[in-house]
Amino acid sequence: EVQLVESGGGLVKPGGSLRLSCAASGFTFSSYSMNWVRQAPGKGLEWVSSSSGSSGYTYYADSVKGRFTISRDNAKNSLYLQMNSLRAEDTAVYYCASRGGEDWGQGTLVTVSS
Amino acid sequence: DIQMTQSPSAMSASVGDRVTITCRASQGISNYLAWFQQKPGKVPKRLIHASSSLQSGVPSRFSGSGSGTEFTLTISSLQPEDFATYFCLQLNTYPWTFGQGTKVDIK
Repeated sequence: EVQLVESGGGLVKPGGSLRLSCAASGFTFSSYSMNWVRQAPGKGLEWVSSSSGSSGYTYYADSVKGRFTISRDNAKNSLYLQMNSLRAEDTAVYYCASRGGEDWGQGTLVTVSS
Repeated sequence: DIQMTQSPSAMSASVGDRVTITCRASQGISNYLAWFQQKPGKVPKRLIHASSSLQSGVPSRFSGSGSGTEFTLTISSLQPEDFATYFCLQLNTYPWTFGQGTKVDIK
């Protein structure tokens, strides 16, 4: 059974940083692309970033490019999202999702507020 | 970037109704489209991938169709557990983009 478990969310001040983690199990993590998707309170879904399985390619939404960095440790079956220069508009539940959204974690809430 | 225009944004329907939701892409995306269902406070669930392939375990009353720029999600006979918000997602080109969502509630 595929499991994705996010952690690392919390309250942070504008301009601050946070690192999200996603622990994966139940599939060959290194073979698959992984993604971060977020959802602001009461809003729709927004794709944030993707990491290819083994080629090292990464992709970002324009809204986070230059501030967020996606990475992965295939040996630890883990995906990360380093978030710097956080803004109020980054407040959202952040989901880790595998491949084309086949599996999702339960999400972790990031709140950016002074 | 590819824009996904989803319609309607909301609709009221009754149990047993046939429901159709549409997503239009601003440029061709072949069949790189998925549909998701999300209930309040819950994680999104993928229903359809590759435009028309039903996710394992999803009831057969859900179906998807389309290619290029026009896509449709159809629920053949709406059930009580289907009242939710539905999103499309294009995966043809980065940045991936979601539709705005369609909230289906009880008439």
